[in-house]
Amino acid sequence: QKEVEQNSGPLSVPEGAIASLNCTYSDRGSQSFFWYRQYSGKSPELIMFIYSNGDKEDGRFTAQLNKASQYVSLLIRDSQPSDSATYLCAVHPPNFGNEKLTFGTGTRLTIIP
Amino acid sequence: DGGITQSPKYLFRKEGQNVTLSCEQNLNHDAMYWYRQDPGQGLRLIYYSQIVNDFQKGDIAEGYSVSREKKESFPLTVTSAQKNPTAFYLCASSIISGAKNIQYFGAGTRLSVL
Repeated sequence: QKEVEQNSGPLSVPEGAIASLNCTYSDRGSQSFFWYRQYSGKSPELIMFIYSNGDKEDGRFTAQLNKASQYVSLLIRDSQPSDSATYLCAVHPPNFGNEKLTFGTGTRLTIIP
Repeated sequence: DGGITQSPKYLFRKEGQNVTLSCEQNLNHDAMYWYRQDPGQGLRLIYYSQIVNDFQKGDIAEGYSVSREKKESFPLTVTSAQKNPTAFYLCASSIISGAKNIQYFGAGTRLSVL
């Protein structure tokens, strides 16, 4: 089992709809979770991070964390064509002092005008 | 402007040649990282460093070398032992803060083999 798993997509969503991206992780003790957006040919940029169970909202983005079920999701409301990108999920392992993140392979999202 | 600068943007390597990718940051971050990304794949960690003059191997360190002589700089050398070096190379940095390790990325270097 991969440490961090994402559906590779592509995920196609009509403009204005809600895009839902999911990520599962294998290490139950993982502490923090990050969503990065990566446009084609560009480097990843951080859009959300979440440490506690529940929801965290930032504008049109909501991160949801469920540690019991070991998944984290990203919701994008009112999807825009500019949201078309690959979304990478990253997880910080439970061993403090080790600053590595483990990345999933990413989900490619396409917003259809 | 604070940030992470990678150079060059594009790099070509000849057979048997070593090449060095530059990464400089002015964010005063302690930790720096090198990742490799292949088409359609996620990021794989090559090396990382949490303090000057110290670094650790990541998941795919073979054929690569690094140095960390200054806090601001973490150059990556792709040696001739790396037989398949064509990829997008990303440098990142972060503060050391336990679980709250937010990594920020440079613009990347695209390496191709001639």
